[in-house]
Amino acid sequence: SQKIEQNSEALNIQEGKTATLTCNYTNYSPAYLQWYRQDPGRGPVFLLLIRENEKEKRKERLKVTFDTTLKQSLFHITASQPADSATYLCALLNSGGYQKVTFGTGTKLQVIP
Amino acid sequence: DGGITQSPKYLFRKEGQNVTLSCEQNLNHDAMYWYRQDPGQGLRLIYYSQIVNDFQKGDIAEGYSVSREKKESFPLTVTSAQKNPTAFYLCASSRAGIGANVLTFGAGSRLTVL
Repeated sequence: SQKIEQNSEALNIQEGKTATLTCNYTNYSPAYLQWYRQDPGRGPVFLLLIRENEKEKRKERLKVTFDTTLKQSLFHITASQPADSATYLCALLNSGGYQKVTFGTGTKLQVIP
Repeated sequence: DGGITQSPKYLFRKEGQNVTLSCEQNLNHDAMYWYRQDPGQGLRLIYYSQIVNDFQKGDIAEGYSVSREKKESFPLTVTSAQKNPTAFYLCASSRAGIGANVLTFGAGSRLTVL
């Protein structure tokens, strides 16, 4: 069966450190993978997208890697701040041309001052 | 400002009643989506629509219905056939066609069945 797995346990890190979140998938051939941020009681907000032929993407303090051999994406936040505390969701669109975007369960990040 | 508006933000319903959640977008997006989120879980796709007058079932469509009569609007009806309707419902939109399908979400509607 198809699965998109993120660490369900919350990740607690000290302010200023790098946070690394993992997204693993099985039985997908994604055209690309996306990362979203969700604050409590609100809709997710798009952060970054990486295509299947890209290894790494950066945006300010954010970095995403994509390894289609390992079927894994890593999401890094450098110099983390308490304001980065939120739930982070990965999502992918399977190759095939349809608009069906599937989400992982999300990982809650807590940055401790 | 362009965006997606969901209403109502909070809704209470008695068992056996149908309710309709509104979703309107002014982003000129072709594709629209409905997701359901339960506590501590990710988003599960209910229905999606790529163009007006066309929509497809997602992973958990049973007990739900949608319509897409206008590009801007994609209302979701939670019917009495939905066994466990209490959840946080999220509407989203994106450009259609070959592209990145970046989703823009509304603020969500929280439905509680009493």
